[in-house]
Amino acid sequence: QKEVEQNSGPLSVPEGAIASLNCTYSDRGSQSFFWYRQYSGKSPELIMFIYSNGDKEDGRFTAQLNKASQYVSLLIRDSQPSDSATYLCAVNEVNTDKLIFGTGTRLQVFP
Amino acid sequence: GAVVSQHPSWVICKSGTSVKIECRSLDFQATTMFWYRQFPKQSLMLMATSNEGSKATYEQGVEKDKFLINHASLTLSTLTVTSAHPEDSSFYICSARGTNSNQPQHFGDGTRLSIL
Repeated sequence: QKEVEQNSGPLSVPEGAIASLNCTYSDRGSQSFFWYRQYSGKSPELIMFIYSNGDKEDGRFTAQLNKASQYVSLLIRDSQPSDSATYLCAVNEVNTDKLIFGTGTRLQVFP
Repeated sequence: GAVVSQHPSWVICKSGTSVKIECRSLDFQATTMFWYRQFPKQSLMLMATSNEGSKATYEQGVEKDKFLINHASLTLSTLTVTSAHPEDSSFYICSARGTNSNQPQHFGDGTRLSIL
Protein backbone atom coordinates (compact mmCIF):
# COMPACT_ATOMS: atom_id res chain seq x y z
CA GLN A 1 0.00 0.00 0.00
CA LYS A 2 1.61 3.19 -1.19
CA GLU A 3 1.24 5.95 1.38
CA VAL A 4 1.80 9.63 1.95
CA GLU A 5 1.87 10.64 5.59
CA GLN A 6 1.36 14.03 7.16
CA ASN A 7 0.79 15.19 10.70
CA SER A 8 -2.86 16.24 10.87
CA GLY A 9 -2.13 19.18 13.20
CA PRO A 10 -3.31 21.72 13.88
CA LEU A 11 0.01 23.46 13.54
CA SER A 12 -0.35 26.84 15.21
CA VAL A 13 2.13 29.62 14.44
CA PRO A 14 2.07 33.35 15.15
CA GLU A 15 1.74 35.85 12.34
CA GLY A 16 5.14 36.58 10.79
CA ALA A 17 6.69 33.26 11.80
CA ILE A 18 7.88 30.43 9.56
CA ALA A 19 5.47 27.50 9.23
CA SER A 20 7.09 24.17 8.46
CA LEU A 21 4.92 21.41 7.01
CA ASN A 22 6.28 17.92 6.55
CA CYS A 23 5.41 14.87 4.49
CA THR A 24 6.87 11.41 4.05
CA TYR A 25 6.09 8.98 1.26
CA SER A 26 6.54 5.25 0.88
CA ASP A 27 7.14 4.71 -2.85
CA ARG A 28 10.86 5.23 -3.53
CA GLY A 29 10.16 5.44 -7.28
CA SER A 30 7.99 8.57 -7.03
CA GLN A 31 9.29 11.46 -9.11
CA SER A 32 6.80 14.32 -8.70
CA PHE A 33 5.78 16.04 -5.51
CA PHE A 34 3.08 18.63 -5.01
CA TRP A 35 1.74 20.86 -2.28
CA TYR A 36 -1.88 21.98 -2.41
CA ARG A 37 -3.70 24.38 -0.11
CA GLN A 38 -7.36 23.73 0.70
CA TYR A 39 -9.49 26.26 2.51
CA SER A 40 -12.49 24.91 4.40
CA GLY A 41 -15.32 24.15 1.99
CA LYS A 42 -13.19 24.85 -1.07
CA SER A 43 -11.28 22.75 -3.57
CA PRO A 44 -7.49 22.27 -3.47
CA GLU A 45 -5.25 24.92 -5.01
CA LEU A 46 -1.74 24.15 -6.28
CA ILE A 47 0.95 25.93 -4.27
CA MET A 48 4.22 24.33 -5.31
CA PHE A 49 5.63 21.36 -7.15
CA ILE A 50 9.14 19.92 -7.03
CA TYR A 51 10.87 17.18 -8.95
CA SER A 52 14.55 17.38 -7.92
CA ASN A 53 16.35 17.04 -4.62
CA GLY A 54 16.97 20.33 -2.87
CA ASP A 55 15.00 23.51 -2.42
CA LYS A 56 12.63 25.35 -4.71
CA GLU A 57 11.48 28.82 -3.78
CA ASP A 58 8.45 30.77 -4.96
CA GLY A 59 7.72 33.97 -3.07
CA ARG A 60 7.09 33.14 0.58
CA PHE A 61 6.97 29.42 -0.14
CA THR A 62 9.88 26.98 -0.28
CA ALA A 63 9.49 23.32 -1.12
CA GLN A 64 12.24 20.96 -0.01
CA LEU A 65 12.77 17.44 -1.32
CA ASN A 66 15.03 14.68 -0.04
CA LYS A 67 14.48 11.54 -2.08
CA ALA A 68 16.98 9.48 -0.06
CA SER A 69 14.93 10.11 3.07
CA GLN A 70 11.60 10.06 1.16
CA TYR A 71 10.76 13.36 2.69
CA VAL A 72 9.23 16.53 1.30
CA SER A 73 8.46 19.71 3.16
CA LEU A 74 6.89 23.12 2.64
CA LEU A 75 8.11 26.23 4.41
CA ILE A 76 5.93 29.31 4.56
CA ARG A 77 7.83 32.45 5.55
CA ASP A 78 6.16 35.50 7.09
CA SER A 79 3.02 33.48 7.76
CA GLN A 80 -0.25 35.39 7.50
CA PRO A 81 -3.69 34.62 8.95
CA SER A 82 -4.83 34.13 5.33
CA ASP A 83 -2.44 31.16 5.14
CA SER A 84 -4.66 29.31 7.63
CA ALA A 85 -5.86 26.27 5.69
CA THR A 86 -5.23 22.57 5.25
CA TYR A 87 -2.09 21.76 3.27
CA LEU A 88 -2.13 18.57 1.23
CA CYS A 89 1.01 16.79 0.15
CA ALA A 90 0.64 14.73 -3.04
CA VAL A 91 3.03 12.32 -4.68
CA ASN A 92 2.74 10.66 -8.07
CA GLU A 93 2.01 6.94 -8.03
CA VAL A 94 4.60 5.17 -10.14
CA ASN A 95 3.35 3.76 -13.45
CA THR A 96 -0.10 5.29 -13.12
CA ASP A 97 -1.67 8.70 -13.75
CA LYS A 98 -2.70 9.05 -10.14
CA LEU A 99 -1.59 11.22 -7.27
CA ILE A 100 -1.50 9.85 -3.76
CA PHE A 101 -2.66 12.47 -1.31
CA GLY A 102 -1.80 12.77 2.34
CA THR A 103 -4.61 13.51 4.75
CA GLY A 104 -3.37 17.08 5.12
CA THR A 105 -1.98 19.28 7.86
CA ARG A 106 -4.20 22.00 9.24
CA LEU A 107 -2.28 25.25 9.70
CA GLN A 108 -3.52 28.00 11.96
CA VAL A 109 -1.79 31.39 11.86
CA PHE A 110 -2.86 33.62 14.72
CA PRO A 111 -2.48 37.41 14.81
CA GLY B 1 -2.82 29.83 -16.66
CA ALA B 2 -4.13 26.31 -15.93
CA VAL B 3 -7.71 27.24 -15.14
CA VAL B 4 -10.30 24.52 -14.62
CA SER B 5 -13.96 25.48 -14.54
CA GLN B 6 -16.54 23.24 -12.87
CA HIS B 7 -20.31 23.66 -13.00
CA PRO B 8 -22.62 23.76 -11.26
CA SER B 9 -21.23 24.88 -7.89
CA TRP B 10 -24.30 23.70 -5.97
CA VAL B 11 -27.01 21.21 -6.73
CA ILE B 12 -29.98 20.40 -4.54
CA CYS B 13 -32.38 17.85 -5.95
CA LYS B 14 -34.80 15.09 -5.07
CA SER B 15 -33.86 11.48 -4.61
CA GLY B 16 -33.97 9.58 -7.90
CA THR B 17 -32.83 12.50 -10.02
CA SER B 18 -29.79 12.25 -12.28
CA VAL B 19 -27.28 15.07 -11.99
CA LYS B 20 -24.64 16.08 -14.53
CA ILE B 21 -21.48 17.95 -13.51
CA GLU B 22 -19.21 19.54 -16.11
CA CYS B 23 -15.48 20.09 -15.87
CA ARG B 24 -13.68 22.24 -18.43
CA SER B 25 -10.04 23.14 -18.86
CA LEU B 26 -10.11 26.74 -20.12
CA ASP B 27 -6.55 27.42 -21.20
CA PHE B 28 -4.84 24.07 -21.72
CA GLN B 29 -5.57 20.71 -23.24
CA ALA B 30 -6.48 18.22 -20.55
CA THR B 31 -5.34 14.81 -21.73
CA THR B 32 -6.34 13.33 -18.39
CA MET B 33 -9.08 14.35 -16.01
CA PHE B 34 -9.85 13.04 -12.56
CA TRP B 35 -12.97 12.97 -10.45
CA TYR B 36 -12.81 13.03 -6.66
CA ARG B 37 -15.33 13.16 -3.87
CA GLN B 38 -14.74 14.50 -0.42
CA PHE B 39 -16.83 14.10 2.70
CA PRO B 40 -16.61 16.72 5.47
CA LYS B 41 -13.29 16.71 7.31
CA GLN B 42 -12.05 13.79 5.24
CA SER B 43 -9.41 13.40 2.61
CA LEU B 44 -9.93 13.46 -1.16
CA MET B 45 -11.09 10.14 -2.55
CA LEU B 46 -10.32 9.44 -6.20
CA MET B 47 -13.35 8.05 -7.98
CA ALA B 48 -12.08 7.66 -11.54
CA THR B 49 -9.51 8.71 -14.10
CA SER B 50 -10.50 9.57 -17.64
CA ASN B 51 -8.41 10.04 -20.74
CA GLU B 52 -9.77 11.90 -23.74
CA GLY B 53 -11.57 9.55 -26.09
CA SER B 54 -11.26 6.52 -23.79
CA LYS B 55 -13.43 4.85 -21.20
CA ALA B 56 -12.86 5.99 -17.66
CA THR B 57 -10.93 3.86 -15.20
CA TYR B 58 -12.85 3.57 -11.94
CA GLU B 59 -11.36 3.02 -8.52
CA GLN B 60 -12.29 -0.06 -6.57
CA GLY B 61 -15.69 0.25 -4.96
CA VAL B 62 -16.94 3.02 -7.29
CA GLU B 63 -19.97 1.91 -9.30
CA LYS B 64 -19.41 2.73 -12.96
CA ASP B 65 -23.13 2.48 -13.74
CA LYS B 66 -23.89 4.94 -10.97
CA PHE B 67 -21.21 7.48 -11.81
CA LEU B 68 -21.05 7.90 -15.57
CA ILE B 69 -17.99 9.70 -16.86
CA ASN B 70 -17.52 11.05 -20.36
CA HIS B 71 -14.34 12.71 -21.63
CA ALA B 72 -15.22 13.45 -25.22
CA SER B 73 -12.80 16.29 -25.86
CA LEU B 74 -9.48 17.64 -24.60
CA THR B 75 -11.29 20.37 -22.69
CA LEU B 76 -14.43 18.75 -21.29
CA SER B 77 -15.28 15.88 -18.98
CA THR B 78 -18.66 15.22 -17.42
CA LEU B 79 -19.74 13.20 -14.40
CA THR B 80 -23.35 12.09 -14.24
CA VAL B 81 -24.65 10.78 -10.93
CA THR B 82 -27.53 8.57 -11.97
CA SER B 83 -30.61 8.07 -9.79
CA ALA B 84 -28.98 9.96 -6.95
CA HIS B 85 -29.83 9.12 -3.35
CA PRO B 86 -29.07 10.94 -0.10
CA GLU B 87 -25.93 8.87 0.46
CA ASP B 88 -24.53 10.35 -2.77
CA SER B 89 -24.55 13.80 -1.18
CA SER B 90 -20.97 14.99 -1.12
CA PHE B 91 -18.46 17.49 -2.50
CA TYR B 92 -17.41 16.39 -6.00
CA ILE B 93 -14.22 17.88 -7.41
CA CYS B 94 -12.66 17.45 -10.83
CA SER B 95 -9.06 18.02 -11.78
CA ALA B 96 -7.27 18.19 -15.09
CA ARG B 97 -3.73 17.59 -16.22
CA GLY B 98 -1.80 17.92 -19.46
CA THR B 99 0.02 15.25 -21.41
CA ASN B 100 2.93 14.62 -19.06
CA SER B 101 2.10 12.45 -16.05
CA ASN B 102 4.58 14.46 -13.96
CA GLN B 103 2.61 17.67 -14.48
CA PRO B 104 0.41 18.98 -11.66
CA GLN B 105 -3.29 18.38 -11.49
CA HIS B 106 -5.34 21.58 -11.49
CA PHE B 107 -8.62 21.47 -9.64
CA GLY B 108 -12.01 22.91 -10.42
CA ASP B 109 -13.95 24.73 -7.71
CA GLY B 110 -16.00 21.66 -6.87
CA THR B 111 -19.72 20.86 -6.85
CA ARG B 112 -21.62 20.50 -3.64
CA LEU B 113 -24.37 17.94 -4.22
CA SER B 114 -27.27 17.60 -1.79
CA ILE B 115 -29.88 14.92 -2.41
CA LEU B 116 -33.10 15.34 -0.45
